[in-house]
Amino acid sequence: AQTVTQSQPEMSVQEAETVTLSCTYDTSESDYYLFWYKQPPSRQMILVIRQEAYKQQNATENRFSVNFQKAAKSFSLKISDSQLGDAAMYFCAYRRVYSGGGADGLTFGKGTHLIIQP
Amino acid sequence: NAGVTQTPKFQVLKTGQSMTLQCAQDMNHNSMYWYRQDPGMGLRLIYYSASEGTTDKGEVPNGYNVSRLNKREFSLRLESAAPSQTSVYFCASSDLAGPTDTQYFGPGTRLTVL
Repeated sequence: AQTVTQSQPEMSVQEAETVTLSCTYDTSESDYYLFWYKQPPSRQMILVIRQEAYKQQNATENRFSVNFQKAAKSFSLKISDSQLGDAAMYFCAYRRVYSGGGADGLTFGKGTHLIIQP
Repeated sequence: NAGVTQTPKFQVLKTGQSMTLQCAQDMNHNSMYWYRQDPGMGLRLIYYSASEGTTDKGEVPNGYNVSRLNKREFSLRLESAAPSQTSVYFCASSDLAGPTDTQYFGPGTRLTVL
């Protein structure tokens, strides 16, 4: 079974600074997807960024970027120019790829609570 | 375009009562999912439906049943609620054949079982 580990229960950063959230995962699959989801106090799960394992290039979405190290099974999220609205729980998630169709759910880490200091 | 909707938003049950959580999506997605989120935990998969007419167990299926009513709707039923089922429940949908294969989540249902 796949596992996802987020070793930082809580992180704090000054507004406008950069912060990196860590995620490691364990899988025997070679093809899979990795995600970062944001959950603000409203509880809504919001997709931040997505990475396909077969792609060597790290995904980037505006101020959000990842450092994907496939051999190390590491998938960290970097938030640049932190804003007050970035304060939330951040969840790393894994999903394997089915070659012949079908579906599978996401496996989530326990989350990192990100605090933005004004 | 409402995305994924869930009803109700909040519910309080007594032990042994039954209820059904409703989920609907208007994105024409094939796959739908039910997750639960407990304090200090990430989401855990309860059941999923890869396509209309199929359902499969996830990581924590005990105490739940599901019905894929049609392509749009996927319900979760608690036949005899227990305090251990106090949680926040999320429904999600995705289109495996689509370009992104990303799961989109509903707003969640907070369920308390006394």
